[in-house]
Amino acid sequence: AQRVTQPEKLLSVFKGAPVELKCNYSYSGSPELFWYVQYSRQRLQLLLRHISRESIKGFTADLNKGETSFHLKKPFAQEEDSAMYYCALSGTRRGATNKLIFGTGTLLAVQP
Amino acid sequence: GAVVSQHPSWVICKSGTSVKIECRSLDFQATTMFWYRQFPKQSLMLMATSNEGSKATYEQGVEKDKFLINHASLTLSTLTVTSAHPEDSSFYICSARDRLRQGAKSNEAFFGQGTRLTVV
Repeated sequence: AQRVTQPEKLLSVFKGAPVELKCNYSYSGSPELFWYVQYSRQRLQLLLRHISRESIKGFTADLNKGETSFHLKKPFAQEEDSAMYYCALSGTRRGATNKLIFGTGTLLAVQP
Repeated sequence: GAVVSQHPSWVICKSGTSVKIECRSLDFQATTMFWYRQFPKQSLMLMATSNEGSKATYEQGVEKDKFLINHASLTLSTLTVTSAHPEDSSFYICSARDRLRQGAKSNEAFFGQGTRLTVV
């Protein structure tokens, strides 16, 4: 079964503090993992994907297949990072329609 | 690029009527589109996956006769909520995969702005 777990509903940190948003997954195969962000009153948008191994807005995420995790990290949080963050997983089976499913989301609140 | 537009952004309808929501990929071709439902302060629940020219695949617990999905072209999918009831009130979101990016390159999806449905 395909599943994404985000254990924290809310993460509150002070500006400048490190941030780690946790994400664990289950999938019988090699998944593709994403982090999506939803700022207040805006649509969901892609933040980063594991295959790119990039850093976006200071955020990074490493896929750990052993721990089946894809935690999102940023060394110094900014107030503008306050948003809802969703971890998402897609299957990668060739010739199949691979579903894109989401975790329950973590609300990141960065205090001044 | 990769813009997905939903219409309408919000709709209020009477109980028992049907409502159609459109999802369009404006600058790319979408072989796969997803329909989600989002309750207040909750995650996106996948309702169904639609592929252009074929029947949608519904998630367990989603009534296919209630939520009719049509994906007739590479740029348009529609969700029709039939005989709507107050419990159908929700935020409906569509997303689409770019045909050219799908598979080998990436399975990311681009999201519409959502449609707020209120059934009175």
